[in-house]
Amino acid sequence: QQQVKQSPQSLIVQKGGISIINCAYENTAFDYFPWYQQFPGKGPALLIAIRPDVSEKKEGRFTISFNKSAKQFSLHIMDSQPGDSATYFCAARLIQGAQKLVFGQGTRLTINP
Amino acid sequence: NAGVTQTPKFQVLKTGQSMTLQCAQDMNHNSMYWYRQDPGMGLRLIYYSASEGTTDKGEVPNGYNVSRLNKREFSLRLESAAPSQTSVYFCASSEDGPITDTQYFGPGTRLTVL
Repeated sequence: QQQVKQSPQSLIVQKGGISIINCAYENTAFDYFPWYQQFPGKGPALLIAIRPDVSEKKEGRFTISFNKSAKQFSLHIMDSQPGDSATYFCAARLIQGAQKLVFGQGTRLTINP
Repeated sequence: NAGVTQTPKFQVLKTGQSMTLQCAQDMNHNSMYWYRQDPGMGLRLIYYSASEGTTDKGEVPNGYNVSRLNKREFSLRLESAAPSQTSVYFCASSEDGPITDTQYFGPGTRLTVL
């Protein structure tokens, strides 16, 4: 019940295209949904995050869409660039206790020039 | 600010050897975490510490011990390394509070157990 399922495992998109990564969860005790971006050899870094009281959040070319009833959320990268090539992790935070995050399995995104 | 630092960057151990992974943060954060990252499995929480002097088990604590030495430092110890512990280990820290939710990650330690 504490799992977050992420798909696809890998994704190849042409430069200028839209990259879409999906996540689903079961536990309604999650109250915060961040996306982390990780470049090879580096630690993950927060990219964008959303709370369940809104359905969409946009920051530049990155948008999170959130569907509370379906328990799904997704990351959209508009006008994808080669510099966006990285591994992306969705995550969810439990309401109670320390800020424990449950991570999805990760998506390796490659943007072809 | 250096953020979150980890040492060593790389380590090769033989089965049964022990070692300690070091982590330090200079952001005055209360909470610190240890994760392992394996292909296709995302980041899994090993242990976390909500404040100095407290530690709690995460999803995959078996085979590991931790010490929250002070507010800055949080170490992870493998007492008797096994090949299944070959992984990339990340330390992270975060502030407390309903608004400040960001976890800041270190650069990682790549551990191979032969």
